[in-house]
Amino acid sequence: QQQVKQSPQSLIVQKGGIPIINCAYENTAFDYFPWYQQFPGKGPALLIAIRPDVSEKKEGRFTISFNKSAKQFSLHIMDSQPGDSATYFCAAPGSARQLTFGSGTQLTVLP
Amino acid sequence: NAGVTQTPKFQVLKTGQSMTLQCAQDMNHEYMSWYRQDPGMGLRLIHYSVGAGITDQGEVPNGYNVSRSTTEDFPLRLLSAAPSQTSVYFCASSYSRQGAGGELFFGEGSRLTVL
Repeated sequence: QQQVKQSPQSLIVQKGGIPIINCAYENTAFDYFPWYQQFPGKGPALLIAIRPDVSEKKEGRFTISFNKSAKQFSLHIMDSQPGDSATYFCAAPGSARQLTFGSGTQLTVLP
Repeated sequence: NAGVTQTPKFQVLKTGQSMTLQCAQDMNHEYMSWYRQDPGMGLRLIHYSVGAGITDQGEVPNGYNVSRSTTEDFPLRLLSAAPSQTSVYFCASSYSRQGAGGELFFGEGSRLTVL
């Protein structure tokens, strides 16, 4: 069964800082690695995803970096804002092409 | 657009009681799934369905039952509630398989407390 290890569990940065969240996965036969963002009282929503035929993907202030040989990928948030305060989940494909999620990172961006 | 609708939003049960969490989507998605979210545990897959009449177990299926009689609805049944089932439950749907690039659309969750 797929295991996804996510760190850190929580993260506090000042406005304008660059929080980095890391994930490591085990073997997978499928190449699709998304990040989901969850605000309090809401369901998660897709933030950004990467297929590792590339090592990096940017969407606005959010960047995924992917290291296939190390089986690791990370989320960077440039110029972080208080509105980015949320819980972030990484995920990797497991058996039957279902996603296995990491344990989540609670990000707080101080004004 | 309603998207994925879950009911109820909050529920308190006593140990041994049964109940059904309802989930409906209006996006004509073939794939639907149920997750539970617990502090420090992330989102864990309970059951999923790849189409009407087809269901399968996820990572933590024990104590839960599902059926998929229509494309739109995917109810989750707790057969005999236990305190370990206290959690926030999320229903999600997607156009294609999650791990193949299918974006998951989540409901707003159902918070269940079992006393």
